[in-house]
Amino acid sequence: QKEVEQDPGPLSVPEGAIVSLNCTYSNSAFQYFMWYRQYSRKGPELLMYTYSSGNKEDGRFTAQVDKSSKYISLFIRDSQPSDSATYLCAMTAYSGAGSYQLTFGKGTKLSVIP
Amino acid sequence: DTAVSQTPKYLVTQMGNDKSIKCEQNLGHDTMYWYKQDSKKFLKIMFSYNNKELIINETVPNRFSPKSPDKAHLNLHINSLELGDSAVYFCASSQEGTGNEQFFGPGTRLTVL
Repeated sequence: QKEVEQDPGPLSVPEGAIVSLNCTYSNSAFQYFMWYRQYSRKGPELLMYTYSSGNKEDGRFTAQVDKSSKYISLFIRDSQPSDSATYLCAMTAYSGAGSYQLTFGKGTKLSVIP
Repeated sequence: DTAVSQTPKYLVTQMGNDKSIKCEQNLGHDTMYWYKQDSKKFLKIMFSYNNKELIINETVPNRFSPKSPDKAHLNLHINSLELGDSAVYFCASSQEGTGNEQFFGPGTRLTVL
């Protein structure tokens, strides 16, 4: 079983739709949970990160963590064509010497159609 | 005012060659990382390094070696390149103790012929 599972999609939605992206994980040592957005031929860009179970909201984006179920979600409200990108969930556990190694999901490719 | 920069952006080379990719960050971060993104877009950690310790992912072949001339730079040297090394390599950095916020460079697309 992979440490982090994420449906690669692709996911295609009309503009204005609510998008739900999800990941499950198996490693209980993961402490921080993140969502990155990656546009084509660009580096990943951090969107949101959370530490505890519950919801965290930032504009049109809401990140949700359920540690008991080992399940995280990202919701995008009022989706825009500019949201079209690959969304990667990522999780960290402390790996020593001040560093945290991210474990990524495979990414979900999202297309928002005007 | 780029935060994390990498050179070159594209690298095409023959099997068996040795090559280096450079990474620089101007964020004052303590920790730097190298990630590999394969053709299926799966992003995987290769190394993490700060001025104290290098942590190596055990699956990385010893043909790959990170070299850090100073805190702001972490270069990736690859010996005896193989076809399977073709991928996009990303450098990232974070402040010690806040590893959840890693900032990524634009990537270097390596093609081995």
